[in-house]
Amino acid sequence: TQLLEQSPQFLSIQEGENLTVYCNSSSVFSSLQWYRQEPGEGPVLLVTVVTGGEVKKLKRLTFQFGDARKDSSLHITAAQPGDTGLYLCAGDNNNDMRFGAGTRLTVKP
Amino acid sequence: DAGITQSPRHKVTETGTPVTLRCHQTENHRYMYWYRQDPGHGLRLIHYSYGVKDTDKGEVSDGYSVSRSKTEDFLLTLESATSSQTSVYFCAISDMAYEQYFGPGTRLTVT
Repeated sequence: TQLLEQSPQFLSIQEGENLTVYCNSSSVFSSLQWYRQEPGEGPVLLVTVVTGGEVKKLKRLTFQFGDARKDSSLHITAAQPGDTGLYLCAGDNNNDMRFGAGTRLTVKP
Repeated sequence: DAGITQSPRHKVTETGTPVTLRCHQTENHRYMYWYRQDPGHGLRLIHYSYGVKDTDKGEVSDGYSVSRSKTEDFLLTLESATSSQTSVYFCAISDMAYEQYFGPGTRLTVT
């Protein structure tokens, strides 16, 4: 059983659409990270959220950390084919780092 | 990009043979990690190091050992490889315990 549940597992959308993916847990985390991974490569860190309720924006990507620091969401506005990839969330609690299984996003031109 | 290399990038080995994977960093980061990535499981922590000769077990450490004799190198050893250890292995480094930078991965196949 994954400590961090990500949903949906797979998402296929058209260019220009908006989307939200979720990362949920019953555990409280000191911090939560989002990564993007492309085929054949290692994950690349996108953002870290630390404070409950925190919202961070990275161009068209908006990340939110839940008030109770148990969950997070990633919203992408006007998705582009370059956003295609595996999105992973990871939670840290005293150096016990756990990853979700990821959401595989495909953005069709 | 953080300076992390992994070697080899691909390896095929037979059941029962020892295998060592190497992670090398040029960033002088304190923390180093070994993960395995399997479909449906995401990334799972095998072992990590918080300094030279200081290591600890992760979630899936059985069948694996590690060593870190220098800041820049972190070795992962499979003493006697099994087919269940077929996976993609990633090394990661971190200066702050939670923001990790990953290497390109090693694809290991145990036949």
